[in-house]
Amino acid sequence: ETGVTQTPRHLVMGMTNKKSLKCEQHLGHNAMYWYKQSAKKPLELMFVYNFKEQTENNSVPSRFSPECPNSSHLFLHLHTLQPEDSALYLCASSQGSGETQYFGPGTRLLVL
Amino acid sequence: DQQVKQNSPSLSVQEGRISILNCDYTNSMFDYFLWYKKYPAEGPTFLISISSIKDKNEDGRFTVFLNKSAKHLSLHIVPSQPGDSAVYFCAASAGGYALNFGKGTSLLVTP
Repeated sequence: ETGVTQTPRHLVMGMTNKKSLKCEQHLGHNAMYWYKQSAKKPLELMFVYNFKEQTENNSVPSRFSPECPNSSHLFLHLHTLQPEDSALYLCASSQGSGETQYFGPGTRLLVL
Repeated sequence: DQQVKQNSPSLSVQEGRISILNCDYTNSMFDYFLWYKKYPAEGPTFLISISSIKDKNEDGRFTVFLNKSAKHLSLHIVPSQPGDSAVYFCAASAGGYALNFGKGTSLLVTP
């Protein structure tokens, strides 16, 4: 596999469920990101990890919990989400700060 | 407050003609600019970038122009092809990890 992969591609969950999104990058990058894209809004940065350390958390509610076990893998744990959390969740990676970011295909999430 | 703006939500161009997509920004600290292309059900794909020390960067059919005094950049696609039909996002960086994105312009290239 090359580039940035994400699983699952689609997810439907109830408000009481717990689920996790997975991202893996095969580019040898050091930084990984979670973005949220809602309809008619720009991409919103959620979290940034550099060398497994979280460097940014853009005031994201605690029902979203990221985990970065190593520089190649990134998870987003979801718990008691709300319907307004339905969106496309994108993972990206880059060599470092200020560098080009490369995106995965995204997970389309629907919260019922 | 949105720092990167793409004021045209959509653009339609005939095949073979030039497509010009525009982007304005407000933050004078931005020093690196990127264009991404996105097809439905896929993630954004990096297309071309430009550093603030340049005013033009070219890659095949794609050219990005940067006008720092006007805080404006544009993407030119020549000649446009039906496969170029997608949503194009402008993004800007001030050197940190965050990329600031515009809302996108949907380009339709008609045969």
